[in-house]
Amino acid sequence: KAGVTQTPRYLIKTRGQQVTLSCSPISGHRSVSWYQQTPGQGLQFLFEYFSETQRNKGNFPGRFSGRQFSNSRSEMNVSTLELGDSALYLCASSLMAATDTQYFGPGTRLTVL
Amino acid sequence: QQQVKQSPQSLIVQKGGISIINCAYENTAFDYFPWYQQFPGKGPALLIAIRPDVSEKKEGRFTISFNKSAKQFSLHIMDSQPGDSATYFCAASIGQESGATNKLIFGTGTLLAVQP
Repeated sequence: KAGVTQTPRYLIKTRGQQVTLSCSPISGHRSVSWYQQTPGQGLQFLFEYFSETQRNKGNFPGRFSGRQFSNSRSEMNVSTLELGDSALYLCASSLMAATDTQYFGPGTRLTVL
Repeated sequence: QQQVKQSPQSLIVQKGGISIINCAYENTAFDYFPWYQQFPGKGPALLIAIRPDVSEKKEGRFTISFNKSAKQFSLHIMDSQPGDSATYFCAASIGQESGATNKLIFGTGTLLAVQP
């Protein structure tokens, strides 16, 4: 079956702009989580959505937001981009529970100039 | 208390040798400990995971050893191969019967290089 897909794969933006990233989970998966990966901070949890509801949120400013649609597809939005937002943004999907395997997509590489 | 500390930061092993990566945690509420492997340009992929009710789990060449009292767990890669060269992340999460969440707390990663 198809894996987690993320679009776009690469994105270049300038400071102050906003960006929307998309994630399509594995068919049948209802939980979608987002992570930010940087060389300095590693992999950090952004938020998780389950059945269109945000189930958990990490320690990121309000400029980072997300949503999930009825088909489990998810988007995350970053407003007023800062240089420090340059990172690989990873989406992971799983069936339901916390101990279900999380399958990661290839990520979206965001560069903020 | 939400941190997972991982060591070493990098590791060089000869082909056929044993690679050992260690992680430690503080939060005793963690009850799920997966290890992920990441190749350049790819997302992390689950290798093996363990719950704290067992002390060891083996899948092929990969073994997790878990020490609940010491709050430590480690990944052993037996007969390491050049194809195992990647970055390895330990992680931990809290699962609950209701309101379960998939928030993974990751270690800082170990860059493994297996020399032929």
